Amino acid sequence: KNEVEQSPQNLTAQEGEFITINCSYSVGISALHWLQQHPGGGIVSLFMLSSGKKKHGRLIATINIQEKHSSLHITASHPRDSAVYICAVSPRREKLTFGTGTRLTIIP
Amino acid sequence: GAVVSQHPSRVICKSGTSVKIECRSLDFQATTMFWYRQFPKKSLMLMATSNEGSKATYEQGVEKDKFLINHASLTLSTLTVTSAHPEDSSFYICSARGAGGPVNEQFFGPGTRLTVL
Repeated sequence: KNEVEQSPQNLTAQEGEFITINCSYSVGISALHWLQQHPGGGIVSLFMLSSGKKKHGRLIATINIQEKHSSLHITASHPRDSAVYICAVSPRREKLTFGTGTRLTIIP
Repeated sequence: GAVVSQHPSRVICKSGTSVKIECRSLDFQATTMFWYRQFPKKSLMLMATSNEGSKATYEQGVEKDKFLINHASLTLSTLTVTSAHPEDSSFYICSARGAGGPVNEQFFGPGTRLTVL
């Protein structure tokens, strides 16, 4: 079993829909990251969080430390949100452990 | 936010040649840089961690003589793939952590796609 599991693996939605991507992990962590990888490969760090909730524009990330679970939400989704979203955790050391990613496709 | 660049973004080379990939932190000093490899439709795999001025720490299974890492300054780390073979074809990504920043915070470069013919 992977230390970091994401669901769903693939998600296709219509423009405007509310999107939720889930991440569960099995180890104690000091922080959790949400990353975005566009076609072509470049990675952008969206959030780093260790508790509670963070919001940036249409993106919201939440984490429940007790349940070892985090969610990434996208409101009013847009085709430019189409990308692979990756959850990564820091298990009390600086190295990151990555999930396999969720491929999101938003259809106009 | 902090910016990390990589050069080149794409490289095609012949089998047996060596390829150097540069990772630069543009607006901050990176005390630690990480090199990752990503296979198609797979997650990132950490290859090595380099701290400025010291030897890189390689992950298990990564050949240090094959993948030479140099972190000679606080803004530049290089990864050299020596005697490249087709199986080295992959997407290589670096990330950097700044001095004084949170220990878990990493800023990612745009990646370099290596194709070995």
